[in-house]
Amino acid sequence: DQQVKQNSPSLSVQEGRISILNCDYTNSMFDYFLWYKKYPAEGPTFLISISSIKDKNEDGRFTVFLNKSAKHLSLHIVPSQPGDSAVYFCAARGWINNNDMRFGAGTRLTVKP
Amino acid sequence: NAGVTQTPKFQVLKTGQSMTLQCAQDMNHNSMYWYRQDPGMGLRLIYYSASEGTTDKGEVPNGYNVSRLNKREFSLRLESAAPSQTSVYFCASTVGNSNQPQHFGDGTRLSIL
Repeated sequence: DQQVKQNSPSLSVQEGRISILNCDYTNSMFDYFLWYKKYPAEGPTFLISISSIKDKNEDGRFTVFLNKSAKHLSLHIVPSQPGDSAVYFCAARGWINNNDMRFGAGTRLTVKP
Repeated sequence: NAGVTQTPKFQVLKTGQSMTLQCAQDMNHNSMYWYRQDPGMGLRLIYYSASEGTTDKGEVPNGYNVSRLNKREFSLRLESAAPSQTSVYFCASTVGNSNQPQHFGDGTRLSIL
């Protein structure tokens, strides 16, 4: 069963505008959430994370929001740049086994100049 | 900085052949992981090694074996390759603390005919 879901396979935005990528999860035991960015022919690279004790975490142009009651998180990129074009994966893990990380299927973001 | 290095980058096998994928990290990380990524799906955990001398099954371990050779190296073996194991395989490592992200290699693209 897919415990982490990214329902939008792709997203296209204009340079300078906001990109919002969404992620839903089903396992209430998850307590740490991460976003990874992946370019073609490369491995995923860590972007930003959030613990379940927070509802927001910012790092420069990237902000992650967590809504625990809705089991939903989102990644906001403001302003979007062409270099942000990549596949973004949402991931989550729980406190019982923090080695068992579950990934969403990814959202391909295209930022148009 | 090499980070996580995977070899080979590409491999084509025939059904029934065996193969070992190699992974090494130079970050003095305690925990190492093997994932597979298939089209339309997120990364799925095959096996992990929380520390040197230990290995555990992940979400999709069937058809694979692993060896944590030392702190730096973690190999994945396919004893009798099957077409269903055609995938991109990623190795990752982390310090081992609960809230530290995993660092990924650039992957091995494996095709089984």
